[in-house]
Amino acid sequence: DAMVIQNPRYQVTQFGKPVTLSCSQTLNHNVMYWYQQKSSQAPKLLFHYYDKDFNNEADTPDNFQSRRPNTSFCFLDIRSPGLGDAAMYLCATSRDRDLAKNIQYFGAGTRLSVL
Amino acid sequence: GQSLEQPSEVTAVEGAIVQINCTYQTSGFYGLSWYQQHDGGAPTFLSYNALDGLEETGRFSSFLSRSDSYGYLLLQELQMKDSASYFCACPDSWGKLQFGAGTQVVVTP
Repeated sequence: DAMVIQNPRYQVTQFGKPVTLSCSQTLNHNVMYWYQQKSSQAPKLLFHYYDKDFNNEADTPDNFQSRRPNTSFCFLDIRSPGLGDAAMYLCATSRDRDLAKNIQYFGAGTRLSVL
Repeated sequence: GQSLEQPSEVTAVEGAIVQINCTYQTSGFYGLSWYQQHDGGAPTFLSYNALDGLEETGRFSSFLSRSDSYGYLLLQELQMKDSASYFCACPDSWGKLQFGAGTQVVVTP
């Protein structure tokens, strides 16, 4: 059974139309991450939550916001999607912010298209 | 900051052995991980090295040399299902992973 679930798998939105991507986890992990991955590139971390503590990466555009209402759920809000925001968005979790063997468990991703 | 370098693509035939090298530059070193990602799929954890030496998990092994800031992932007895991208990654002091650009492994019959 999937432990990190992302919905929807595919999302099409219009230029400038807000969109929300969702992620849920059954692992009861403290840390949740949102990554953006473009074709043939490495995942790029946008932000992460350590419990309820939100941590934004310095180069994450203001257009991207996140919410974590409880341990199990995390949302990625893109306020005004541009063509350059078309990508795969990956959610991941880890048990804690361990430095040793910090295994991250990824969801299957949401592929966002912007028309 | 951190940077990791790995080859962009490796091609090999079924049954062969492939070695994917990863060199890293980090302000602090907390280990080297490897993730596999099939096309359109989620990255999945393969292995982790914190100390020098070889870690073996079935057909896959991972090696680390901290003095050389270098590691590799060894794929043995290649199968068609091993065609995927492989990422090396290092955690920073916050536990966040910095990924290399990924190596696409293409397995041919």
